[in-house]
Amino acid sequence: SQTIHQWPATLVQPVGSPLSLECTVEGTSNPNLYWYRQAAGRGLQLLFYSVGIGQISSEVPQNLSASRPQDRQFILSSKKLLLSDSGFYLCAWSPLAGNTGELFFGEGSRLTVL
Amino acid sequence: GQQLNQSPQSMFIQEGEDVSMNCTSSSIFNTWLWYKQDPGEGPVLLIALYKAGELTSNGRLTAQFGITRKDSFLNISASIPSDVGIYFCAGHPGDSNYQLIWGAGTKLIIKP
Repeated sequence: SQTIHQWPATLVQPVGSPLSLECTVEGTSNPNLYWYRQAAGRGLQLLFYSVGIGQISSEVPQNLSASRPQDRQFILSSKKLLLSDSGFYLCAWSPLAGNTGELFFGEGSRLTVL
Repeated sequence: GQQLNQSPQSMFIQEGEDVSMNCTSSSIFNTWLWYKQDPGEGPVLLIALYKAGELTSNGRLTAQFGITRKDSFLNISASIPSDVGIYFCAGHPGDSNYQLIWGAGTKLIIKP
């Protein structure tokens, strides 16, 4: 069966420090991969998605970047964090074929920027 | 960006009550999806609807894809404590579009 795992689960970082969140998927090949952000008490905002290795699409201009160095690995990064980067970050995958919107989410990474 | 109109924003329910929530949009969708998020976790897919008029059940949950393709509802019958959480609707425009359009969520709370 397919599993998705992201880490770290929680992170407290000072303003201006770098960020790296990692997500890996097991049990499937060629997944579509996504990074979402959820502000406290709010809905989900798509940040990046990827349909293949090295292919990244950004949905909103921001202080963050994403990379997909391997088929089942998706990384969210920042060189210098801002206070507004605080939030709950969710990685998700969907099957490559039959794009119907069904997403399978990881456990989430809570980032607090101080 | 575009967002679905999801209501109610929150619900205070007694255990055993039935629950109803809905989402509406000015755009049509090819797929409607309902997710549930427990505190501190990622959302989990509950029900996916693929055809206008479709009515689908998953245990005590029932969801329908509106005939106009612009709305969907989710009903929960005989609520239990583990139903608490945030329920999100999402619409998928279809084909090569990778962007889901999300509702703001309905928070379900059990009255003490």
